[in-house]
Amino acid sequence: AQSVTQLDSHVSVSEGTPVLLRCNYSSSYSPSLFWYVQHPNKGLQLLLKYTSAATLVKGINGFEAEFKKSETSFHLTKPSAHMSDAAEYFCVVNHQTGANNLFFGTGTRLTVIP
Amino acid sequence: DTGVSQDPRHKITKRGQNVTFRCDPISEHNRLYWYRQTLGQGPEFLTYFQNEAQLEKSRLLSNRFSAERPKGSFSTLEIQRTEQGDSAMYLCASSKDRGGVSYNEQFFGPGTRLTVL
Repeated sequence: AQSVTQLDSHVSVSEGTPVLLRCNYSSSYSPSLFWYVQHPNKGLQLLLKYTSAATLVKGINGFEAEFKKSETSFHLTKPSAHMSDAAEYFCVVNHQTGANNLFFGTGTRLTVIP
Repeated sequence: DTGVSQDPRHKITKRGQNVTFRCDPISEHNRLYWYRQTLGQGPEFLTYFQNEAQLEKSRLLSNRFSAERPKGSFSTLEIQRTEQGDSAMYLCASSKDRGGVSYNEQFFGPGTRLTVL
């Protein structure tokens, strides 16, 4: 079985401070892992993906995530938050050998305080 | 570049009515997916097409739901005899099968928000 757990439903940071959004996964197979972002009234956008290459993955808009197999984690980080980062973030798992559906976490709402 | 489009963006209907949503994928994408997202939750997979063939269906897809992709391009999702529990955002995504790649990025549309009164 595959699943992801997003440990925080809501994270609030001040503009210019670091962002940490936590995600733990479980998978019976070698997973592919992703972070998607959802801005209000916009479609889901892929931020970054891990597919068994480098464990530290760089994405768009300065976001990074590190795959840690020993901790079954894939936390999302950014050194300095911008106001435009305020959105809903989803950690997502996909079976490595090509199953086509994505399993989404429940999401973390990021608020950025000016 | 036109992304994935969905129509309508919003639909309000009365319980018991039928509704149909349309999804137009990115033109060269041969895979198309439907997801449902309820308030406060992440999207949940409903069904998937490769070209015109429906290859996978979730147990969430009750017999009141039917999806088609007749010519391997656009897709429709119909819900018959709607119930209040069907109220959700219905998301469509598409991807291009590049063969031998472990993951083909899915591009999402803006969704159709259904409200069943």
